Amino acid sequence: AQTVTQSQPEMSVQEAETVTLSCTYDTSESDYYLFWYKQPPSRQMILVIRQEAYKQQNATENRFSVNFQKAAKSFSLKISDSQLGDAAMYFCAHGSSNTGKLIFGQGTTLQVKP
Amino acid sequence: EPEVTQTPSHQVTQMGQEVILRCVPISNHLYFYWYRQILGQKVEFLVSFYNNEISEKSEIFDDQFSVERPDGSNFTLKIRSTKLEDSAMYFCASSRLATTYEQYFGPGTRLTVT
Repeated sequence: AQTVTQSQPEMSVQEAETVTLSCTYDTSESDYYLFWYKQPPSRQMILVIRQEAYKQQNATENRFSVNFQKAAKSFSLKISDSQLGDAAMYFCAHGSSNTGKLIFGQGTTLQVKP
Repeated sequence: EPEVTQTPSHQVTQMGQEVILRCVPISNHLYFYWYRQILGQKVEFLVSFYNNEISEKSEIFDDQFSVERPDGSNFTLKIRSTKLEDSAMYFCASSRLATTYEQYFGPGTRLTVT
C-alpha cells in the first residue's frame, strides 16, 4: 500500500522569503505521479504542481518548484518569493497510474507573515 | 475554464437519514472520484468510477455508500443511513485519463450529521 508522510504540521515564512515543505512517500508501484495541492480556508483543493515519477527533471510552476528524490522517496515543495495568498494547508499526494487513486499526506499549514 | 461543481455546498441531516451528494464533472472527463475530509484531518480516498462501474473503493466505502452516474452529466454519492462519523467535507474529482495526470476537484459538500 502507498503511504505519504508530511512531518511538518505547521510552517511559517516571512513574506518574500523562500520556504520548503517536506514530503516522503512509500510505494510499491514503478509508475506513479506526485502532487502538491493547496487548500485555503475555503477548503477548495487546488493543484499546485505535479511530477511524473519517470521524469528526472524537477517540475517547476512559476514560484513553485519541487525537489524530487526518487531513490529517497522524497518530494519537497519550494515556494519562492512567498506571498500572503500562499497561506494555506498544503497536501502532498501520491497518484497511482493504475487506479487513479490519490493518497494524501496529513498536510502542512503554511503561515505567511507580512 | 471548465470546473467540477458540487451541490449542495452544505447539507445538514439527522442520523439515520439518507443523503445524496451531487457532482457535475468536467464534460470530457471519463474518470470520477469521491474523497472525504474529516475536519482537521487528511483527505481520504473513497471510490473511483469509470465506464459506469466502480474501479476501486477504500475500506471506508462500505455497504452504506453507493455511487451512480444517472445521466451523462451527474455523478452522485449516496449514504443510506448516515452516522455521526460521516460528518465531513466530501470532494468530487474528475480526470480525463486514468493516470491521475491531473484530477480536478470540486469545491466540496460539507455534510453535518446531527
